Amino acid sequence: AAGVIQSPRHLIKEKRETATLKCYPIPRHDTVYWYQQGPGQDPQFLISFYEKMQSDKGSIPDRFSAQQFSDYHSELNMSSLELGDSALYFCASSSSILTGELFFGEGSRLTVL
Amino acid sequence: GNSVTQMEGPVTLSEEAFLTINCTYTATGYPSLFWYVQYPGEGLQLLLKATKADDKGSNKGFEATYRKETTSFHLEKGSVQVSDSAVYFCALSRYSGGGADGLTFGKGTHLIIQP
Repeated sequence: AAGVIQSPRHLIKEKRETATLKCYPIPRHDTVYWYQQGPGQDPQFLISFYEKMQSDKGSIPDRFSAQQFSDYHSELNMSSLELGDSALYFCASSSSILTGELFFGEGSRLTVL
Repeated sequence: GNSVTQMEGPVTLSEEAFLTINCTYTATGYPSLFWYVQYPGEGLQLLLKATKADDKGSNKGFEATYRKETTSFHLEKGSVQVSDSAVYFCALSRYSGGGADGLTFGKGTHLIIQP
């Protein structure tokens, strides 16, 4: 079965650079979520989209932005990167906002040097 | 606000031992409850879920019962295997009537099973 696809899997950037992460949800899933997981930490909700519109916002820094496109894929843009942005970024998708069941991708590991 | 509290690890057990990982929650409304598992270097995988009080979720020998009276969703397995070694996250949906609210996770419990 098709899963959530994230790219790139690994990314190394310098401080103050910009990074873009991409997420391709499971076909026919209309909701996409972004989470940030620091080393040894629980995933922290960043932002979500439902039917290409931003639905909810969590602890996403102002330096980050995201959008969902007409084909339902989503991109997370991170600018002015800081060392503390080094983390695993997960995308998840869902077919129903009613059940809360999310399917996660394998994550994109961002390292900021 | 909503929150999830789960027992801190690491939890170290011998193979075939009985497992309990405690999880309690605070929430408004009637959240759905989940256990996710994360193997090293991988994403989170849904292990089991329960959507209403007294529901029992089960999968791969793991079970958890949604207890509204004690606001708990403890994870149990009768006989663990080395392959169960992973980090387990208890989570609840923040959904309460509409919107893509995502999940609130506990801090995770690292389970180590020794042969």
